[in-house]
Order: sequence, then C-alpha cells, then structure tokens
Amino acid sequence: DTGVSQNPRHKITKRGQNVTFRCDPISEHNRLYWYRQTLGQGPEFLTYFQNEAQLEKSRLLSDRFSAERPKGSFSTLEIQRTEQGDSAMYLCASSTRDNPYNEQFFGPGTRLTVL
Amino acid sequence: RKEVEQDPGPFNVPEGATVAFNCTYSNSASQSFFWYRQDCRKEPKLLMSVYSSGNEDGRFTAQLNRASQYISLLIRDSKLSDSATYLCVVINSNSGYALNFGKGTSLLVTP
Repeated sequence: DTGVSQNPRHKITKRGQNVTFRCDPISEHNRLYWYRQTLGQGPEFLTYFQNEAQLEKSRLLSDRFSAERPKGSFSTLEIQRTEQGDSAMYLCASSTRDNPYNEQFFGPGTRLTVL
Repeated sequence: RKEVEQDPGPFNVPEGATVAFNCTYSNSASQSFFWYRQDCRKEPKLLMSVYSSGNEDGRFTAQLNRASQYISLLIRDSKLSDSATYLCVVINSNSGYALNFGKGTSLLVTP
C-alpha cells in the first residue's frame, strides 16, 4: 500500500499523559500536513511541513503540541499533558512538490480519546 | 463566523433524485476550491476541484461564483453509494496551502 499511513489508529489515554502519533506520507510527496477533526466538524488545519521545515502553524496548535519531520519523510505529532478537549481524530495528509494546489491525500487518522 | 459555511443538512433523498449542496466562503483571497467526500469514520478524499468556468465529472457538477463567493455541487441520479458527508474546501493564497474545510453536509440516499 503506497498511501499515507498513520500509527496508532486508536489511542486511549488519561488526562495529563503525553501521546505521540506518527505519519508516513506518500514517498515522493514533500509536503505534509496535520489536521484535527472533532465530531460533526470538518477537519481543522494544525501545521504544515515542506520537507523538514515547519512552515506554518495554526493558532490551534497550543504550546502543548509539537510536530517534527526530522528527515523530511515521516512526521510525529506530540501532545503533552493531554486534556479532554484534545479528544479528536488527528489526520495527516501529503501532497506533491510540483503543484501545491494539488490534491492532498489523507491517511486513515489516529483517533485520540482522553479520559 | 467560520471561513467556509455549508448547508447543515442532513439531506435524505431517494435513489435517482438530484440534490444540490451550497457553500459560501468569506475570504476574498481564496484561490482554490474543492469538494471532498468523507465516508463515515473514514478519511476525506478529493471528489473534484472547482473551476471558475464550472466543471462536470459524470453525475457531479461543480460551480463557482467568485463575485458572490459561492460554490455549489450538484449530484444527479443519486446512488446509494453517494451517501457520505460532502466537505466544501478552499485554499487561501495568504495562508500557505492549508485546506480550509466547511463543517460538511451529510447526504443519505435511500432505496
């Protein structure tokens, strides 16, 4: 399967714990995006990488959130001191270098539940 | 006010019906427009891009009115498999390449 993959698919954690999610984009895609989706809402943009550079961060990305893409391939999203409001589906997407307005391909998401 | 607003739905239509979804966007710098489809508990997938001249893909027709900042999606001859949430999406030239999604409109096509 050459699509975007995300791990884990589900994560249940207790409030106050740290969690880390991984995203592996389509191999030739140099752009990688993180979104968050809550029930009944569309996905909301969190952050964007071009290669290893984090070029944009949404104001939704509080200080407790950090994302990395150290070698310009896979990316991790860490949430520290999780809160119940962090419960959501975290989606990763990637797109090709040639046309930034090209289709973004989404992974299956990581569903986070904070108890 | 959200940047992208959609009909709240849900839309329940019989097979074979024609259904239209509307969407408005507030940022005049919006540059690219799309409809994405999201099945229940699945990731969003691109349905079609929306061009200024309007475009058609089989049973699906998308229209864009830049003056009114309005986007539409028309589905003709609805199939049971069209049941999904349809997300209106814009990209703004002043905010990188992030997708700005509407809340989505739920469609249920019944036999």
